Amino acid sequence: DAGVIQSPRHEVTEMGQEVTLRCKPISGHDYLFWYRQTMMRGLELLIYFNNNVPIDDSGMPEDRFSAKMPNASFSTLKIQPSEPRDSAVYFCASSPDRGLSTEAFFGQGTRLTVV
Amino acid sequence: AQSVAQPEDQVNVAEGNPLTVKCTYSVSGNPYLFWYVQYPNRGLQFLLKYITGDNLVKGSYGFEAEFNKSQTSFHLKKPSALVSDSALYFCAVRDPGAGSYQLTFGKGTKLSVIP
Repeated sequence: DAGVIQSPRHEVTEMGQEVTLRCKPISGHDYLFWYRQTMMRGLELLIYFNNNVPIDDSGMPEDRFSAKMPNASFSTLKIQPSEPRDSAVYFCASSPDRGLSTEAFFGQGTRLTVV
Repeated sequence: AQSVAQPEDQVNVAEGNPLTVKCTYSVSGNPYLFWYVQYPNRGLQFLLKYITGDNLVKGSYGFEAEFNKSQTSFHLKKPSALVSDSALYFCAVRDPGAGSYQLTFGKGTKLSVIP
């Protein structure tokens, strides 16, 4: 398997524009996670899905952020409108449904810069 | 609530010397503990985990970690450091008693192995 695939790898956008980040989880994995990494706050869980259903979105910073998982092989994280403080590396991760002891597998991340 | 602390932002060690990267955790019950490594411009890679049983767990690339319940610690160790071990290391915890798949990460420790 190719692992978790994220696109784009880098995104530079102007403040106020809509940004969409994409993720393809590992085939057969039932859980999908979106994390944000910044120097100040480290790795923060934004939201996670189980079988395409959002389970916990308490980490989504505000209404400008939304995430969807229309099918088992695709998820998006959208920011509208984007702000400079959204600049970060966004990671997608997936894991199989083998219980809570299972580790997550991470994609290579999308580095977002909002100017 | 679950939390993780990595008290050292940076650890420097000479090549060939033993290394330790520290991690302490806080959960209400028995924890599931994980170590990940992140190389520059890459996603997080799973190293090892503690679920139950032997307090010393062995993982990838010669790394091991020791679970100490009384000290609520899960320090990462390697007997002989390599220059290629230089990377960012993250400790993470999951509280199985909470029934959530949320994985909480520490802020990371930058390991530099000096030739």
